[in-house]
Amino acid sequence: DAGVIQSPRHEVTEMGQEVTLRCKPISGHNSLFWYRQTMMRGLELLIYFNNNVPIDDSGMPEDRFSAKMPNASFSTLKIQPSEPRDSAVYFCASSLLAGGNQPQHFGDGTRLSIL
Amino acid sequence: AQSVTQLDSHVSVSEGTPVLLRCNYSSSYSPSLFWYVQHPNKGLQLLLKYTSAATLVKGINGFEAEFKKSETSFHLTKPSAHMSDAAEYFCVVSERGNQAGTALIFGKGTTLSVSS
Repeated sequence: DAGVIQSPRHEVTEMGQEVTLRCKPISGHNSLFWYRQTMMRGLELLIYFNNNVPIDDSGMPEDRFSAKMPNASFSTLKIQPSEPRDSAVYFCASSLLAGGNQPQHFGDGTRLSIL
Repeated sequence: AQSVTQLDSHVSVSEGTPVLLRCNYSSSYSPSLFWYVQHPNKGLQLLLKYTSAATLVKGINGFEAEFKKSETSFHLTKPSAHMSDAAEYFCVVSERGNQAGTALIFGKGTTLSVSS
């Protein structure tokens, strides 16, 4: 069965441009998570959704970052305008909604480079 | 509040020798605990999980972990390391009993190097 699918796998763009990262969770999963991973700060939770509703976005670094989940099978993370310090690997993960004892399943990530 | 501490940022072993990656946690409630592995340029993959059943948990690729409540530890072990085990390992805690989906708390990771 298909896992979490992220696109694109790699993105290189110039600062100031809008960047959109996409995620398709595992079918039937009703929690979705966006993470950012850098060497300096490790793995950081940006935002997560339960049943398509944003629950906690306290990890979103600035107003330049926004995330949406219009339906159960699709989510986007948008950065506008992008800056070089946004360069990182962005992961999407999904899980069943079940009281915190369900593991999260990760996509392979989007490696973002802002020049 | 919950937290997790991985006691070693880097562990080096020889192929065929045992692996021990140490993790301590702090949780106000009965925790769920996980170990994930991340190979280069890949996402995180679940190795094993503890959710209040047996305290010795067996995972994939020969790894296992033991939940010790008295020591608030959840160390990851493997009897014999393979070259393919070289990766980053993350210890993760989540509080159970919360009926809403909840975020996981990740440790900072331990890099495992395996030499031939």
